Amino acid sequence: AQTVTQSQPEMSVQEAETVTLSCTYDTSESDYYLFWYKQPPSRQMILVIRQEAYKQQNATENRFSVNFQKAAKSFSLKISDSQLGDAAMYFCAYRAGTYKYIFGTGTRLKVLA
Amino acid sequence: GAVVSQHPSRVICKSGTSVKIECRSLDFQATTMFWYRQFPKQSLMLMATSNEGSKATYEQGVEKDKFLINHASLTLSTLTVTSAHPEDSSFYICSARDPSGPQHFGDGTRLSIL
Repeated sequence: AQTVTQSQPEMSVQEAETVTLSCTYDTSESDYYLFWYKQPPSRQMILVIRQEAYKQQNATENRFSVNFQKAAKSFSLKISDSQLGDAAMYFCAYRAGTYKYIFGTGTRLKVLA
Repeated sequence: GAVVSQHPSRVICKSGTSVKIECRSLDFQATTMFWYRQFPKQSLMLMATSNEGSKATYEQGVEKDKFLINHASLTLSTLTVTSAHPEDSSFYICSARDPSGPQHFGDGTRLSIL
């Protein structure tokens, strides 16, 4: 069975600094997608970034980038120039052919002014 | 704007009541929708996969008779929590698979059973 693990329940970062959130996963599939979602207090699920497993190049979206290590089954999220609005719960998620998502337990990110 | 609409956003009702939650895809036809449950400070757990025109597929440990899912059209799936009790209080989120691209999440329903 596929699993997603986020080992950091909570992280803090100073405004304008960089922070990295960790995620590891386990799967026997070769074709899959990985995602990072942000969930603010409103509880909306906001897609931050996605990575296709067949792509070697790490995905980047403005201040957000990932370090995808397929062999190690690692998928970390780097947030550069952190802003107060980045404070939220961040969930790492895995999706394969069935289209259902498996979420990690989440990391609460605090941004300090 | 939102491409998946979930309604209601908040519901408070008495124990024993049945509650229906709707999930609508607004800009696309969704043959598959998903229902998740999120307890406070926990992750989203998949409850079931809703398939248009056929029976839902439930995850292990989820009671089919408790959580009724109907996906009667390509744009609407409903989750009915039957005879709800306080332990059913939770945040319920749906998502819909867009055939042309990503999956979209609804804004969730906060269910409180008194």
